[in-house]
Amino acid sequence: AQKITQTQPGMFVQEKEAVTLDCTYDTSDQSYGLFWYKQPSSGEMIFLIYQGSYDEQNATEGRYSLNFQKARKSANLVISASQLGDSAMYFCAMREGGGSDSNYQLIWGAGTKLIIKP
Amino acid sequence: GAVVSQHPSWVICKSGTSVKIECRSLDFQATTMFWYRQFPKQSLMLMATSNEGSKATYEQGVEKDKFLINHASLTLSTLTVTSAHPEDSSFYICSAHEFTGLGVNQPQHFGDGTRLSIL
Repeated sequence: AQKITQTQPGMFVQEKEAVTLDCTYDTSDQSYGLFWYKQPSSGEMIFLIYQGSYDEQNATEGRYSLNFQKARKSANLVISASQLGDSAMYFCAMREGGGSDSNYQLIWGAGTKLIIKP
Repeated sequence: GAVVSQHPSWVICKSGTSVKIECRSLDFQATTMFWYRQFPKQSLMLMATSNEGSKATYEQGVEKDKFLINHASLTLSTLTVTSAHPEDSSFYICSAHEFTGLGVNQPQHFGDGTRLSIL
C-alpha cells in the first residue's frame, strides 16, 4: 500500500490565487514527521515546510502553510498568493519515528506538477 | 542554513566508463547520507543509505557492485557508477541528515543533483 499519496499529477492555477496540494499518508507510528519539498525544473530539492505528528498547530512558513488533519491522515500544502516562480514539482514526504535503528529515511509521494499561469 | 554540495552537476561519458559523484556537507556533519535516483517526471527513488564509517545499506533491486558508495568522513559521501551504460543515465541526487537529536523533525538537506548521460 502507498504510504504517501499525492492524487494530483498536475495543476494549473492562475497567478495570485491560492492553491492547495493534496497529500495523504499511511502509518501506524505515533511519532512521525511530514515534509514538503519543491523541485524546480533545474532539479534541486528545496525544503518548504515541516509538520510533526505531535504538533497541535498547523505549520506555517511565509506563504506556505500545512493543513494537517491527523484523523484523516492528510497534510495538504497551501500556497497563498501564488507567483510564477512557484511553478515546480512539489513532493510530500514522511519520516516515521522508529526505534534505534531508524535511518531517518523519507518516504516520498509521486509529486504534483504545479504550473502558475500569468 | 545547512548546505550540501554535489559535484559534478552534469556529466556525459562513454559507455563502459566509471563515474564518481561527490556529495559534501559544507557546514555540518552528516552522519547519514542518502543517494536517490530520479527518472523524468517521477519521484525520488532511494538507492542506498550511507552511514559514515560503515557499509551502505542498499535498497532492494539496486546493484551494490554497480553503484559503489563510500562514506569515509562525516562530510563526504561518494557514489561511483561503475562501467556505466546508457540505461544508467538518470538524475542522481544526494541528501544529508544532520544529527541533532531532534529525530523525525530534521529535514534532509539536498545537493543540487547530477545529470548523468551515458552515450
